[in-house]
Amino acid sequence: ETGVTQTPRHLVMGMTNKKSLKCEQHLGHNAMYWYKQSAKKPLELMFVYNFKEQTENNSVPSRFSPECPNSSHLFLHLHTLQPEDSALYLCASSQDPPDWGNNEQFFGPGTRLTVL
Amino acid sequence: AQSVAQPEDQVNVAEGNPLTVKCTYSVSGNPYLFWYVQYPNRGLQFLLKYITGDNLVKGSYGFEAEFNKSQTSFHLKKPSALVSDSALYFCAVSGKGGSSNTGKLIFGQGTTLQVKP
Repeated sequence: ETGVTQTPRHLVMGMTNKKSLKCEQHLGHNAMYWYKQSAKKPLELMFVYNFKEQTENNSVPSRFSPECPNSSHLFLHLHTLQPEDSALYLCASSQDPPDWGNNEQFFGPGTRLTVL
Repeated sequence: AQSVAQPEDQVNVAEGNPLTVKCTYSVSGNPYLFWYVQYPNRGLQFLLKYITGDNLVKGSYGFEAEFNKSQTSFHLKKPSALVSDSALYFCAVSGKGGSSNTGKLIFGQGTTLQVKP
């Protein structure tokens, strides 16, 4: 596997379900990100991790719970979601800490989430 | 605060013609500017970035972008469009300096490029 992988690619869940999204980067990067992409809206940064430590939570509701056990893996645990949470969830990684600002991010293919 | 504007929701161009996708930005301090492309059912792919130096930046797939500080713009260009260039294009900005800046990328809303044969 190369680059950034995400599983599952598609997920349909009810509002009472609990599910998890997984992201893995094979690039040796130190920073990882979760983004939400909704139709007709800019990408929304949700969480940032640098060397496994969370450095940013962009006012994300607590029904989204991230976990970063190591620099290569990132999870997003989901529970009691709302229909408006339906979106494409993208994971990304970068070599350098995000506050350097000048390094590009590499994105996974995303998980298309539908909340019924 | 940092912001990015992509004034066109969609750009249509004929194959073989030059293309331009527009981007303007606002950031305190020196900007770091990026272009990404997203094909259907895929994540974003990095095309090019401007950090410092030459205002004309060359990137992947024959794309280039010109940094214009006075106009605070970073338009994406390609001399000859291909049908396979049809995709969603995102401009992004990051900045250094200022207490409110974390270096995070701020993305524009995206511009759909449609290249017709």
